[in-house]
Amino acid sequence: LAKTTQPISMDSYEGQEVNITCSHNNIATNDYITWYQQFPSQGPRFIIQGYKTKVTNEVASLFIPADRKSSTLSLPRVSLSDTAVYYCRLSGYTGGGNKLTFGTGTQLKVEL
Amino acid sequence: DGGITQSPKYLFRKEGQNVTLSCEQNLNHDAMYWYRQDPGQGLRLIYYSQIVNDFQKGDIAEGYSVSREKKESFPLTVTSAQKNPTAFYLCASSASRDRGNEQFFGPGTRLTVL
Repeated sequence: LAKTTQPISMDSYEGQEVNITCSHNNIATNDYITWYQQFPSQGPRFIIQGYKTKVTNEVASLFIPADRKSSTLSLPRVSLSDTAVYYCRLSGYTGGGNKLTFGTGTQLKVEL
Repeated sequence: DGGITQSPKYLFRKEGQNVTLSCEQNLNHDAMYWYRQDPGQGLRLIYYSQIVNDFQKGDIAEGYSVSREKKESFPLTVTSAQKNPTAFYLCASSASRDRGNEQFFGPGTRLTVL
């Protein structure tokens, strides 16, 4: 399974846009890219998922270049409540249920 | 109210005792997973199951065992062979037809071995 690499931590201020990049040089053709958010002592929760180009939902955008060797999660106008760990995860379609592994994640700290 | 439940939220056990962590889902998902998380670290996969009566080892299966007798249940047993069992344990599930394998996570069980 392809490995993902993210920055260990990032700092930002309220109201700023935050971009977190995940490297996945060995991404497979059928891999999807999914981002999760985790607060302390809670399970991760889904933020956004994409395969190529750009995906946007009500909370974030996901940018995926043509070669798909990286992806960038963009959080517009962050607030203190966005302080959390963000994980990038790859997964291929095998009919569901496969060895889904997570990287070490990026700790985002948002300050006033 | 659909989702994944894990119980208990906190669990204390003496060293050398086996302990079983519960995970139940009512999302009708075929696939279920167990992860372990240590302080300041990411999630490491222990076991996963694609269908009932079938499961595979993840990256750190030693000292753990699972069963999948029912679609909605995937209990994890932490045995006395697990050298460092104190950790935060997370259960997840995903739908078999989801191409991106979106996982839904439970609230976790924090196990402390004294």
